[in-house]
Order: sequence, then structure tokens, then C-alpha cells
Amino acid sequence: DAGITQSPRYKITETGRQVTLMCHQTWSHSYMFWYRQDLGHGLRLIYYSAAADITDKGEVPDGYVVSRSKTENFPLTLESATRSQTSVYFCASSVEAGRSNYGYTFGSGTRLTVV
Amino acid sequence: QKEVEQNSGPLSVPEGAIASLNCTYSDRGSQSFFWYRQYSGKSPELIMSIYSNGDKEDGRFTAQLNKASQYVSLLIRDSQPSDSATYLCAVKLQAGSARQLTFGSGTQLTVLP
Repeated sequence: DAGITQSPRYKITETGRQVTLMCHQTWSHSYMFWYRQDLGHGLRLIYYSAAADITDKGEVPDGYVVSRSKTENFPLTLESATRSQTSVYFCASSVEAGRSNYGYTFGSGTRLTVV
Repeated sequence: QKEVEQNSGPLSVPEGAIASLNCTYSDRGSQSFFWYRQYSGKSPELIMSIYSNGDKEDGRFTAQLNKASQYVSLLIRDSQPSDSATYLCAVKLQAGSARQLTFGSGTQLTVLP
């Protein structure tokens, strides 16, 4: 199916465990992003990627690792999950364009609970 | 000071009324401005974008941008109960990376039947 898909939709994990959230897009968009959304904080950027093998930190990168070996995939790994990482995680993508006036398209999100 | 600020609401309007949502931003060099709608439990959905001062209309939605005053607003005419959602303002800050958007915390809108 065309679009941007995230998996899993829901995940419960224990403190200290490693967990990976998957993101896959079929548009060949150059830019991909990971956000977390928490009450009172809105959407906060964790990491983003401008192209395969190019990633950079966002506002709240601590405790997270990303990779982008292929343009279409941008997994997010929590190396050792903590309760403060309980959140809804959104992946997004954006076209590469000469103008900077494109918004993002979001995946359906992953609701992660760390117990 | 937050880079992008919105009134958190909640904002309630009766069906058929005009809903007015406001957003201010701190980076005077910001270039691109977006409004997203997010239904409860769903992902944000882009509904409007605006880049130049003035108004931009799309159906019942009008985005207004005033760069001198550093605010952007969204008007929803003839509000419907289906418009009840959280509306997120997003700004491409000049100081950020080429493709980074910064989001406000959102305004929760309820349209009362």
C-alpha cells in the first residue's frame, strides 16, 4: 500500500528493555522524522533524516537511536526503555523540493507504554 | 518563551459559527506556516499552508498570516461538529534545518450541535 506506515500500533514493554519502532514510506521522500507527542508538550522532534545514511538530532534525542540504511525505512530504537519514554510516537516524511513550503505527512502512530 | 505558541483552549463554538484559532511564533525569519488537524487518537493531518502575508482560503478554512506581528490564524466558517479536533500550528523556523517544522501544543476545538 502506498503511504507511510508505522508498526506496531501499540506496544507495552518493560523498563530497561530495548524496543524498535518501525516506519516505512513508499513515496521515496528524502526527509523522514520521528516525533513524540505528550500532553502539554505537543509534538517534539526526536531525530530526522535528510537522506539515506544522513541523520541528525532533534529537540529530545537522548535515549533514542535511529538509522536509515534505505530511503524508505527509518526505524527508531529505544536502547533501554524508561517510563518517561511512554508516549505516542509519530513518524513523518516530506518531499525533497527546492521550495521550503511542503508540510509533512504523518504515519498513524505507535502508542508505547513502558512499565 | 516557546517558539510556537497557541492557546490550549478548549475552545467551544456553536454549530454554524466561526471558529478562530491563533498562533504566534518567535523567529522573525520564519518562512512557512501550516495548520494541522488532529482527531483524538489519530495522526495530524495537513489542512492549510501559507507563506505570504494576507489571507488564503480553502473551502470553509481561511489561513491568515501577519509576519510583522508574527502571528498566523485559522478561521473555520460554518463550523460543524465534525470539525471538533485539536488544531496544531506548525512553523518552519529559519534557524532550524531546511526541513524542520516546529509545532505548537495545539488548540482543542469543540463544535456544539
